[in-house]
This record gives sequence, C-alpha cells and structure tokens, in this order.
Amino acid sequence: SQTIHQWPATLVQPVGSPLSLECTVEGTSNPNLYWYRQAAGRGLQLLFYSVGIGQISSEVPQNLSASRPQDRQFILSSKKLLLSDSGFYLCAWKAKNIQYFGAGTRLSVL
Amino acid sequence: QQPVQSPQAVILREGEDAVINCSSSKALYSVHWYRQKHGEAPVFLMILLKGGEQKGHDKISASFNEKKQQSSLYLTASQLSYSGTYFCGTEERQGGKLIFGQGTELSVKP
Repeated sequence: SQTIHQWPATLVQPVGSPLSLECTVEGTSNPNLYWYRQAAGRGLQLLFYSVGIGQISSEVPQNLSASRPQDRQFILSSKKLLLSDSGFYLCAWKAKNIQYFGAGTRLSVL
Repeated sequence: QQPVQSPQAVILREGEDAVINCSSSKALYSVHWYRQKHGEAPVFLMILLKGGEQKGHDKISASFNEKKQQSSLYLTASQLSYSGTYFCGTEERQGGKLIFGQGTELSVKP
C-alpha cells in the first residue's frame, strides 16, 4: 500500500537560519506531489506542486523553494527563514483523483 | 480561485444535523471534502466528480451542483467524533491542483 512520510514532526528554528523539509512517498511511482502551509487557525495554502522529477510549479512568491530530485521525494527549502514562515507544513500526493496528506511538520521560527 | 465555505463555524448537540456549503466562482471538475482534527493532518472524506455524483460515508454525505458551482456536506445525527475543521477542496480540471476553502469549524457537544 502507498504511504507518505514527512519529517521532522516539529522544528524550532531561529530567524535567518536555513530550512529543509523532506517528504517521501512509498508504494507508487510518478505521483503528483504538493506542499501546503497552514498558519495557526487558518486554511491550507498551496505552495508548490510537482508532476515529475525536476518539475516544480510555484503558487505563491515567497521565501521558500521546492525541489524534486527523485520520483518519490519532494523537498521544501529556505535559505533564510522569516518569522512569517512559521506554520504547519503538509506534504501531499495524489492517486486516482484523491489527495492524501502526510502527518505534517510544525515549524516555529523564533 | 479559493472556494468560499459557509458557515465559518457551527456548534451542535450530539444527534443534531448540519450542512456545510462550498461555492466557487469557477467551473469545477471535482470537489473534495476533508476533516482536520486539532493538531493533525487533514483526512480525506469523499470526492464528488463532475456529473452530479453524490457520495456518502456513514452518516456524512455530500452533493455537487455543477451549474451552481457548489457543493454541500451533510452531517446527520452528529457524533462527538465529528468535531473538527472541515475543508472543501476544488479542482478545475482533472489532474489539476486542489485549492482549499478557508474551513468550517464544527463542534459537537454532548
């Protein structure tokens, strides 16, 4: 069966530090992959999505970037974190029209 | 274009019914419904595809009116476990990105 792994579960980072969040999917090939961010008490904002290796679409201009170095790996990065980057980051993948979320990473930038 | 959900919040007693609405200004291919418990990732509930298809899950069902570009989620005989934030996600074309509404917070009290 297909599973999605996201880590770490929580992260506390100082302002100006770099960020790397990783997401991997098992049990499927060539999935569509997505990064969402959820600010506290808010909705799900689509940040990036990828339909294949090296193919990244950015939805919101910001301090973040994404990469897909392998078929089932999706990475969210930042060179210098801002306070406003705090939030709940969710990776998702889509199979047969249905989108499934990973457990998420709760990022606090201090 | 982000879909609009209503109401923003609703409080129920166990056994009562509720309806959550989701509307879009764009023609839709599909509508997806998710429930998110506090601190957790959203969990898929159901998908409604173009064509008026209505899907159900236990005492939770939904409808999709393509002409009005609207979907409604029906929760009947609510249980305490129904508490959480409900999100609709809309897709304008098959294989497209899923854009979520701002969420509806549902609280079921004993």
